Amino acid sequence: AIQLTQSPSSLSASVGDRVTITCRASQGITSALAWYQQKPGKGPKLLIYDASNLESGVPSRFSGSGYVTDFTLTISSLQPEDFATYYCQQFNSYPLTFGGGTRVEIK
Amino acid sequence: QVQLVQSGAEVRKPGSSVKVSCQASGGTFSNYAITWLRQAPGQGLEWMGCIIPILETAHYAQNFQDRVTITAGESPSTAYMELSSLRFDDTALYYCARALTHGVIDSWGQGTLVTVSS
Repeated sequence: AIQLTQSPSSLSASVGDRVTITCRASQGITSALAWYQQKPGKGPKLLIYDASNLESGVPSRFSGSGYVTDFTLTISSLQPEDFATYYCQQFNSYPLTFGGGTRVEIK
Repeated sequence: QVQLVQSGAEVRKPGSSVKVSCQASGGTFSNYAITWLRQAPGQGLEWMGCIIPILETAHYAQNFQDRVTITAGESPSTAYMELSSLRFDDTALYYCARALTHGVIDSWGQGTLVTVSS
């Protein structure tokens, strides 16, 4: 199975900060990567698919980049509603796998 | 926007089975992969498996290969997940999800808490 390693596992940031989360795949997955946001007590929400495509309705401050093994999720200006846990997921091959998550907390 | 509504919380004894249902409203599972995942308390997301009715295919994570069965209901809006031989470490929140056939998950249920306790 393809392993996804996210870093950092948690971070503290202030409103307005630029935040970057990385996801590294154990083998090449071209652009078959998605990013999800999960808030406490809720199911995850799709943010980005195909590594860099913004899901409809997701604010433009979210962006994704990367290819093959190294990927990033960037929040250009952190907003109060963005404090949550973020997961990457590969869909290059079965079994589908997720990164361990990055918790974004208020500084 | 499709909404997925799952059945309520369950408590089971070790060695028993549990079956969780998922009902789609405002959409169906037709042309999608019916996907189940779980999240243990304080932990990350774990993909369990999926079925793609239109392709008549199923994929399961090796960890659950012999214990989990995902089925589609008679209605294209209903799906089920049954997990057998339950263990204490199966205690988790189980999510039903709808995925595009290549694996991007565009809709999630609210989760069903399954507690395994003696």
